[in-house]
Amino acid sequence: QQQVKQSPQSLIVQKGGISIINCAYENTAFDYFPWYQQFPGKGPALLIAIRPDVSEKKEGRFTISFNKSAKQFSLHIMDSQPGDSATYFCAATLTTSGTYKYIFGTGTRLKVLA
Amino acid sequence: DSGVTQTPKHLITATGQRVTLRCSPRSGDLSVYWYQQSLDQGLQFLIQYYNGEERAKGNILERFSAQQFPDLHSELNLSSLELGDSALYFCASSAPRGAATDTQYFGPGTRLTVL
Repeated sequence: QQQVKQSPQSLIVQKGGISIINCAYENTAFDYFPWYQQFPGKGPALLIAIRPDVSEKKEGRFTISFNKSAKQFSLHIMDSQPGDSATYFCAATLTTSGTYKYIFGTGTRLKVLA
Repeated sequence: DSGVTQTPKHLITATGQRVTLRCSPRSGDLSVYWYQQSLDQGLQFLIQYYNGEERAKGNILERFSAQQFPDLHSELNLSSLELGDSALYFCASSAPRGAATDTQYFGPGTRLTVL
């Protein structure tokens, strides 16, 4: 029940296309859903995040769509660029005992072709 | 720059040895998390500390241990190293509950190579 299932495992998109990565969760106690971007050899960096009281959040070319009833959320990268090629992790956060517990998805390796 | 620092950046050692990885959280953050990332793998949660106390344990081997000191920096100790321990080790920190954000910020990682 603590898992976050992420798909696809890898994704190849043409430059200018839309990249879509999906995540699903079971525990309705999760209250924060961030996406992280990781380049090879670097630490994951927060890309965009959403709380369950909002159905969509957009920041530039990146959009999170959140479906609370289906317990799913997705990352959309519009006008994908070669510089977006990276591994993307979704996560779900549980607030407990005065601190936060993070559950990460397994990651999606995105390659954007020039 | 996330504000989380990790040292050393690279570490090369032999099997059977013991190493210590160090992490300094962002200023004001009380929580420190340790993760292991093997080649092309996801983030494996190891352990979490909050204000000096262990709060959660993940898939951390008995050969591994960690602690968080009064100045809030943390150390991850890896002993009796095996080839399979070669990986990137990340530290992350987050603010206390009630802070404006519960975002987890990652350090640049320590790449451990066991020969």
